[in-house]
Order: sequence, then C-alpha cells, then structure tokens
Amino acid sequence: GAVVSQHPSRVICKSGTSVKIECRSLDFQATTMFWYRQFPKQSLMLMATSNEGSKATYEQGVEKDKFLINHASLTLSTLTVTSAHPEDSSFYICSARSGANSYNEQFFGPGTRLTVL
Amino acid sequence: DAKTTQPNSMESNEEEPVHLPCNHSTISGTDYIHWYRQLPSQGPEYVIHGLTSNVNNRMASLAIAEDRKSSTLILHRATLRDAAVYYCILNPAGNQFYFGTGTSLTVIP
Repeated sequence: GAVVSQHPSRVICKSGTSVKIECRSLDFQATTMFWYRQFPKQSLMLMATSNEGSKATYEQGVEKDKFLINHASLTLSTLTVTSAHPEDSSFYICSARSGANSYNEQFFGPGTRLTVL
Repeated sequence: DAKTTQPNSMESNEEEPVHLPCNHSTISGTDYIHWYRQLPSQGPEYVIHGLTSNVNNRMASLAIAEDRKSSTLILHRATLRDAAVYYCILNPAGNQFYFGTGTSLTVIP
C-alpha cells in the first residue's frame, strides 16, 4: 500500500516558539493532503484540507494564522504551529489522497506528538 | 456530513470472530463506507471499504445492509494485534473524512 511519512515523530518546544511538521507521500503523488489533530482519548479532528498549489481550506474553529499549511509539491505538505502554547500539545496526523481512485481512500502518516512546555 | 454511530467498546476472545456494527441511517447514495483502525500512538490504518455490496479482503469482511443504513465489520479470527479503535466513516467520493468516536476493541487472550 501507499506510504505516508511524517517528520518529526516527536517534538518538544517552549511556549511561544513555532514548530514545523512535514508530511510526505513516499511512493505516490498526493493531490490532496489532510491534517488532523487528536487529543488523548479522543477521536481525530480534521483541521484542514490542502490541495497542491492552492490555499488550504480550514475547518470551522481552526485558526488559519496559527496553523499554517503549505502544500508546495505533490509529495510534501507542511503544518507550522506558530507561537505554540501548551494547549496546542496534541498528536498531529496527516493523510494523503492520490485522487486516482473514486472511492477516496486516504493513507495516513504515523503522527507527530507535539508537547509544548 | 452523514453521521455514524458505533458502540464505544467491545470485547472478544482471541481466535473468535468479531462483529463490529455501525449505524449510518442518513447515508446518501454516493457515500462510500470506510473502515479504519488505529493502534495507540499511531496513525489510522485502512481496513476495508464498500459501497453497496459485501466486500472481503485479507484483513476483514464488510457486510452492508440492503438499505445501506448499517454495516458490520467482521474480523474472522481476532488476534491480540487486532486490539485497536475501529472507525466507521462515510465519505462521498472526493470529500473529507470526519471521524466519529469509534469502537475500542479489546481482545482477551
């Protein structure tokens, strides 16, 4: 199956700093990538949808100026958490879709654990 | 977004079949039914998907009700590695996934 990687897998940062998380599709071209956030014991919450070469579409309640998403190529999307605070500590997961299949299967990355001190 | 309802948790004995139900009474004609599972601290993993007909793959079977208002994921012989949270997701082709609360499956040795 298709492989999606994330880097880093784990990051700890100080409050007020910015953190960038990369999501890569390793063996296919991803026309669309998605970013999710998951708090402990909760389900995944969709944050934004990103299409290559265009601006991301954010879900209601997600601050686009705080969570900057760039999808500059068909294999790479980045999520930057700006001025991170402890409440941004979470498990961030990306997924990618090739668009080759009508049933819209998504391939998920392994996730990035962000801890803001 | 079409909503799904799943039991919060289920238990199964190892090597026995498991039937995980999902209700989706507001499903529309173009919604695919996807099942993913998530192990702790990992990203979700694709299990199976279907539209109208029952589906089988190496991991599981998906039984879809004739009216498509419910479906059941069948693990034929549960193993300890199948312990995970299982998500049933409805998705019109080309649209986003919205995850529900899922079913936490415990497999008892």
